[in-house]
Amino acid sequence: DGGITQSPKYLFRKEGQNVTLSCEQNLNHDAMYWYRQDPGQGLRLIYYSQIVNDFQKGDIAEGYSVSREKKESFPLTVTSAQKNPTAFYLCASIKTGVPEAFFGQGTRLTVV
Amino acid sequence: QKEVEQDPGPLSVPEGAIVSLNCTYSNSAFQYFMWYRQYSRKGPELLMYTYSSGNKEDGRFTAQVDKSSKYISLFIRDSQPSDSATYLCAMSAADSWGKLQFGAGTQVVVTP
Repeated sequence: DGGITQSPKYLFRKEGQNVTLSCEQNLNHDAMYWYRQDPGQGLRLIYYSQIVNDFQKGDIAEGYSVSREKKESFPLTVTSAQKNPTAFYLCASIKTGVPEAFFGQGTRLTVV
Repeated sequence: QKEVEQDPGPLSVPEGAIVSLNCTYSNSAFQYFMWYRQYSRKGPELLMYTYSSGNKEDGRFTAQVDKSSKYISLFIRDSQPSDSATYLCAMSAADSWGKLQFGAGTQVVVTP
């Protein structure tokens, strides 16, 4: 079955550490996105990539980094520069020209 | 002011009632309008997608777009306890179709 897989489901980070969230899709979609969800604030765009080896900052990119070396994969690194990283992170992919986003099941990151 | 406004609820209705959800927006360039359903601790799933103005019906769900008023609605007929979830509206412009702007989400509780 086609879909988007995010891992891990739960992640704990110590202050000052970088952590990487995985996102893989087998939908053959060109575009991939990372969103952050906080209670009462909806989804906010962190980074997006519309083709391999290219990506753009979203609305809240500070403290995050991404790479897009393969069409299927779009990992997100939460760096120590992100001062408030505790949140629910969602990865999505979209087929070019059709703005219907398919989401993974999310990763809940907690700073301990 | 946020580009997309959505009442966070919670909205509590008895089983069998009609659920009425809405969002307002400020960007007149938005052309694509979507409704997502999100269960607790899960990724959003696409319910309805509408391009430009008009109505769209799919089973118990009806989506309406009124671009003149910058207002979109989702109606759920014959609501079931399994409809209890958070409903997110999302929209994008034609020249940035993949950059979805989300509302904060409305929590719906359908009581048996």
